[in-house]
Amino acid sequence: KQEVTQIPAALSVPEGENLVLNCSFTDSAIYNLQWFRQDPGKGLTSLLLIQSSQREQTSGRLNASLDKSSGRSTLYIAASQPGDSATYLCAVDAKGAAGNKLTFGGGTRVLVKP
Amino acid sequence: NAGVTQTPKFQVLKTGQSMTLQCAQDMNHNSMYWYRQDPGMGLRLIYYSASEGTTDKGEVPNGYNVSRLNKREFSLRLESAAPSQTSVYFCASSNRQGRVDTQYFGPGTRLTVL
Repeated sequence: KQEVTQIPAALSVPEGENLVLNCSFTDSAIYNLQWFRQDPGKGLTSLLLIQSSQREQTSGRLNASLDKSSGRSTLYIAASQPGDSATYLCAVDAKGAAGNKLTFGGGTRVLVKP
Repeated sequence: NAGVTQTPKFQVLKTGQSMTLQCAQDMNHNSMYWYRQDPGMGLRLIYYSASEGTTDKGEVPNGYNVSRLNKREFSLRLESAAPSQTSVYFCASSNRQGRVDTQYFGPGTRLTVL
């Protein structure tokens, strides 16, 4: 059974510092890995999707890397801003016998202090 | 473009009561999903529908039923609510294209069972 872990559960940094969020998964047979952002009381917004054949994806200040063999992904957020405060979740996509299933980590709650 | 909509946004039930959570998407997606999110945990898949007319159990299906009414709508029913079903429920939809399957989430329904 796939298990996804995110450590730390919470992180507080001063504005301008780079953020490094970690995600690990137990089964390397994945189609892709996604990073989501969740604001309090809101749904999830997809940030980046890395396919299993890729090693990284970039979007603006966000960069996500994937090392399938070691079961790890890292989300980097450069020059953090207070608006980056949110919970970040990673999820792996492993196609099941009858459909598509995402397995989520518990999330890292980020606070960027002005 | 509304994306994924969910009703109601909040609900309080007494143990043993029943209710149906509604979800609709206007993106012409084939697949739809119901997740629950508990404090400190990631999202867990309850049921999903890979296409109109099909539904399958996810990780935590006990106590729930679903109906894929048509391509747009996917409802989740609690027949006899229990306090353990107090959670935030998210609906999502997606259209897999090759190995890429980005899921789009609704805003969630906060359910409390007393």
